[in-house]
Amino acid sequence: GENVEQHPSTLSVQEGDSAVIKCTYSDSASNYFPWYKQELGKRPQLIIDIRSNVGEKKDQRIAVTLNKTAKHFSLHITETQPEDSAVYFCAAKGGGSNYKLTFGKGTLLTVNP
Amino acid sequence: DVKVTQSSRYLVKRTGEKVFLECVQDMDHENMFWYRQDPGLGLRLIYFSYDVKMKEKGDIPEGYSVSREKKERFSLILESASTNQTSMYLCASSPMLALLSGANVLTFGAGSRLTVL
Repeated sequence: GENVEQHPSTLSVQEGDSAVIKCTYSDSASNYFPWYKQELGKRPQLIIDIRSNVGEKKDQRIAVTLNKTAKHFSLHITETQPEDSAVYFCAAKGGGSNYKLTFGKGTLLTVNP
Repeated sequence: DVKVTQSSRYLVKRTGEKVFLECVQDMDHENMFWYRQDPGLGLRLIYFSYDVKMKEKGDIPEGYSVSREKKERFSLILESASTNQTSMYLCASSPMLALLSGANVLTFGAGSRLTVL
C-alpha cells in the first residue's frame, strides 16, 4: 500500500519568514495530494490540494509543488503569521483506491512573533 | 454551515467494555471514514463506507467494527475495549462527486477522545 513520509516533524520560524514542509510517497500511481491544517484542539481542515496532472498550485500565501518523478510534494507558506501555527498533515490518494487517503505523521509549525 | 458531528467529545471506559462512537453528517455525503489520531503517528484509517450498509477495512481495522444503517450516520464499535485503543478518534465524510473528479475532500468532526482504563 501507499506510504507517506513527512519532514520535518517540528518547525519553528520567525514571523514573516517562509516555511517549507516536505512529503514523499511510495505509490507511483498516486494521483491526489491534499494538505490539512489542524490548530490546537480543533479538527483538521483542508487548506490546499493538488492533482497529479499539475506541478504547482498557489492560494495567496500558501503553495504546493509536486514532483512526480521524485515522488515528493511540498507545502510552502510565505510571510508566516502567528495564526499559521498548527500541525500540518500531508496525504496521498493511491492509484488503487478512490477513497483511501494515507496521511503523513504531521509537522508542528510554530511561528514566533 | 456544513457539519460532521461526533456525539461524544470525551469518554472514559474500562477494559473489556463495549464502546460505541457515533458520527452524523448533514451534508448528504456518500462516503464516511473513521480515523485514529495518535501523537507522532498521524491519522490512520480504521474503516470507511461508501454507501449504506457498505464498509471496507482501512489500515488498522483490528479490534474495531463499523455500522452504517443510514446514509448520515456511521458508527465505530469497539467490541471489547483495550488500553491500546486509548486515542483520539476522528470521523470524516466526503462527497462522491469529489471522488469522480479525482479528489477526496474530507470534512472532519471535532473528534472523540477515548480513554480506556
